[in-house]
Amino acid sequence: ETGVTQTPRHLVMGMTNKKSLKCEQHLGHNAMYWYKQSAKKPLELMFVYNFKEQTENNSVPSRFSPECPNSSHLFLHLHTLQPEDSALYLCASSLTGVNQPQHFGDGTRLSIL
Amino acid sequence: GQQLNQSPQSMFIQEGEDVSMNCTSSSIFNTWLWYKQDPGEGPVLLIALYKAGELTSNGRLTAQFGITRKDSFLNISASIPSDVGIYFCAGGSAGGTSYGKLTFGQGTILTVHP
Repeated sequence: ETGVTQTPRHLVMGMTNKKSLKCEQHLGHNAMYWYKQSAKKPLELMFVYNFKEQTENNSVPSRFSPECPNSSHLFLHLHTLQPEDSALYLCASSLTGVNQPQHFGDGTRLSIL
Repeated sequence: GQQLNQSPQSMFIQEGEDVSMNCTSSSIFNTWLWYKQDPGEGPVLLIALYKAGELTSNGRLTAQFGITRKDSFLNISASIPSDVGIYFCAGGSAGGTSYGKLTFGQGTILTVHP
């Protein structure tokens, strides 16, 4: 599915680096989401944006900083990450409203050294 | 918070066999979604269910929204090697928001032997 594109696909960084993950959706959706997927754990919702406004921060540490400049683009800025932050980070989008299914990108595989 | 119990955690089957997996919760959901995730890719939506009791098919896949709104199952008939992957259920609820929140199960890892 190419409606939601994430870059980069893989990222290796040291704990003191600063990097950003990018997500772009071409589905005409107005809600965007960041999830963390770790081995043997359910997907964890991190952030939700509706019409560019952040509507959910699921107790995510401040070393993760989201940015949503418009309804089609979503960023996750990373700074001073910890080894336990290594995971697959998935972006999703949907139409606004209850019961709207979310469509996912292929994720960024993040490894913290 | 809401939790989903998805079972089984993994399945090893022969090509041609039928597969069944389910999700249960103590909470009521407005929507049930089933996703499949292939290695190195994101989850792909297979089936969306919106009404209690609803039974929906997508090719060899059939899913049902439990009548109590607390469970759902997914069946795959006549499995083929490309069915290999991780299957996730997700329950959707308003949760006091306007956008709806998804709660995901832990996933069922399906292996199909030719």
